[in-house]
Order: sequence, then C-alpha cells, then structure tokens
Amino acid sequence: NAGVTQTPKFQVLKTGQSMTLQCAQDMNHEYMSWYRQDPGMGLRLIHYSVGAGITDQGEVPNGYNVSRSTTEDFPLRLLSAAPSQTSVYFCASSFDGRTGNTIYFGEGSWLTVV
Amino acid sequence: AQSVTQLGSHVSVSEGALVLLRCNYSSSVPPYLFWYVQYPNQGLQLLLKYTSAATLVKGINGFEAEFKKSETSFHLTKPSAHMSDAAEYFCAVSSTSGTYKYIFGTGTRLKVLA
Repeated sequence: NAGVTQTPKFQVLKTGQSMTLQCAQDMNHEYMSWYRQDPGMGLRLIHYSVGAGITDQGEVPNGYNVSRSTTEDFPLRLLSAAPSQTSVYFCASSFDGRTGNTIYFGEGSWLTVV
Repeated sequence: AQSVTQLGSHVSVSEGALVLLRCNYSSSVPPYLFWYVQYPNQGLQLLLKYTSAATLVKGINGFEAEFKKSETSFHLTKPSAHMSDAAEYFCAVSSTSGTYKYIFGTGTRLKVLA
C-alpha cells in the first residue's frame, strides 16, 4: 500500500541545473498536484492535473514544468534551478479533486539550490 | 477565489490544556474544509474534513472542528493537549464548484509544554 511516492528525498543542485522530481501514486487517482512548502508561507500550489494529458497552473508555476502522460505519474521539472527554488516539495493526489475528497501527500522532497 | 487564514503562526499550550487553532476561510461558494497535521520531516496527514454533512466534525486523535458559516470559520479544538500533539497544523479549503484546487493556510505550529 505505497500511496504517493516521491523521489528523490534529498537533492542538491547548482544554479542553472535542471532536474525532475518524480511522483507516482497507486490509488488510481485522477487528481495530482505539486506544492512547495516554505517557512511562514504554508503550502503553495505549483501545478495540478485532473487526469492524463490535462495540467494547469497553480499559484507559483514559474520555473516549473509538468506533464501527465499516465494516471500514475506526475513529474515536476525544474528547468533552470535558482536559489529561490530551495524548498520542500510535496506531491499530492486525490480521487478526482472535487466533492471533498481527501488529498493524500507524499513524504516530501528536500531541494537545495546553491 | 478561495483562501484560508490561520491566526497565529505559533501556539503554545500546557499539557492537559485546551487546544484551539483558528482558521477562517473565504469562498464564493460553499466550501469543503480540511485540517491536516504535519510531524517533523513528514508529509501531511488528514485530521478531519467538512463536506456539508454535519457542522461539528470529529477527527483522529481526539480533535474536532466546527463549521460556522456566519463566522466563516472552521476552528480546530482538542479538550486536552498531549505532548504527542506537538506538530504543525494546516487548514485547507477546496471548492464545491469543481475548480480542482486545494488551497492551504500558512500553518500553525503547536507547542505543548510539560
């Protein structure tokens, strides 16, 4: 019963490098999303998806790219890492993103950009 | 647009005392409301949620919250704090109109004093 799985858990990047944070869920959820968590700012929505082939921007999408080719996977790409992207990233999913369905979180990915 | 405001980024209570964490929401349509808890270096776990069935919602670990439409509030309470309740708590809102976004507050860190 894996739930939402994120990799890697920790990553250090140099400014300008690109990388992909992986997220997979095994609950057949249609809705998947990425948040970043920063001190004093709570969780801010980066991108979300309501199904394979459908993505949309959240509150803070700049510098990030997503795609949803399968129901299970929702990778987050950092195109050219900046120190401002140092954060903890959480992937989350729910059944359909509506009707009050519970949203389930992964364990988080700690990213440091130097 | 939906939003939540959590009053008090840090709350301290003595062990055995009442826990009260405040959350006010803004939504143009009746909302779904959630409380999540985050323990250090972990993802978020659902405590309870309001989906319009009953205004008083009971969750795990003895927590409960009351939806008050007139006050646009969804405060979290627990009659008697335990040391293990020390964590960060997040209030979140999602819309009943199907906008597919879960919006989180900035969090309240609860400290329990022995």
